[in-house]
Amino acid sequence: DAGVIQSPRHEVTEMGQEVTLRCKPISGHDYLFWYRQTMMRGLELLIYFNNNVPIDDSGMPEDRFSAKMPNASFSTLKIQPSEPRDSAVYFCASSRTEGSNQPQHFGDGTRLSIL
Amino acid sequence: SQQGEEDPQALSIQEGENATMNCSYKTSINNLQWYRQNSGRGLVHLILIRSNEREKHSGRLRVTLDTSKKSSSLLITASRAADTASYFCATGWMDSSYKLIFGSGTRLLVRP
Repeated sequence: DAGVIQSPRHEVTEMGQEVTLRCKPISGHDYLFWYRQTMMRGLELLIYFNNNVPIDDSGMPEDRFSAKMPNASFSTLKIQPSEPRDSAVYFCASSRTEGSNQPQHFGDGTRLSIL
Repeated sequence: SQQGEEDPQALSIQEGENATMNCSYKTSINNLQWYRQNSGRGLVHLILIRSNEREKHSGRLRVTLDTSKKSSSLLITASRAADTASYFCATGWMDSSYKLIFGSGTRLLVRP
């Protein structure tokens, strides 16, 4: 079975540029999560969706960050304009809705470097 | 602040030895999960234990949960070099079955 697919795997861009990260969740999963991982702050939940609807975006650091899920098989996380402090590994994860306590399945992440 | 905190931050053992990692958390939970992360990869789910369970096994993994002490432990028996990775605990809050808060992780090195 295909897992969570993220693209690109690596992104290097200059400060001020727009960055778009993409995620394809596992088919049949109703929940999609975006995380950011840094050495200083660990793994932080940015936003999550249920059935394509954003449920909790309290972890989004500021207005420069936005996320969308136009359909069940695709989500984007956009940073505009990007800043050096946004450099991190960004993970997408998905899970099913068969009751509570479901494990999350992670992609291999996008390593983002803002110069 | 993060919900879960792992202890120790780093652990180095010889292949064949057992590895024990601990996790403490602060608020009431409905489940606790352990994940593994290999270098440069995403997190992989290992095991989930519900708040009404005290112990769970999966292959060479044994997880315990003590809700009175708000702590959990992950034991890996007969470790292998391939177990080298970072291990994270993640807690599911009582008011949200789907939102997980991850700890800072334990970096495990298993020397061949």
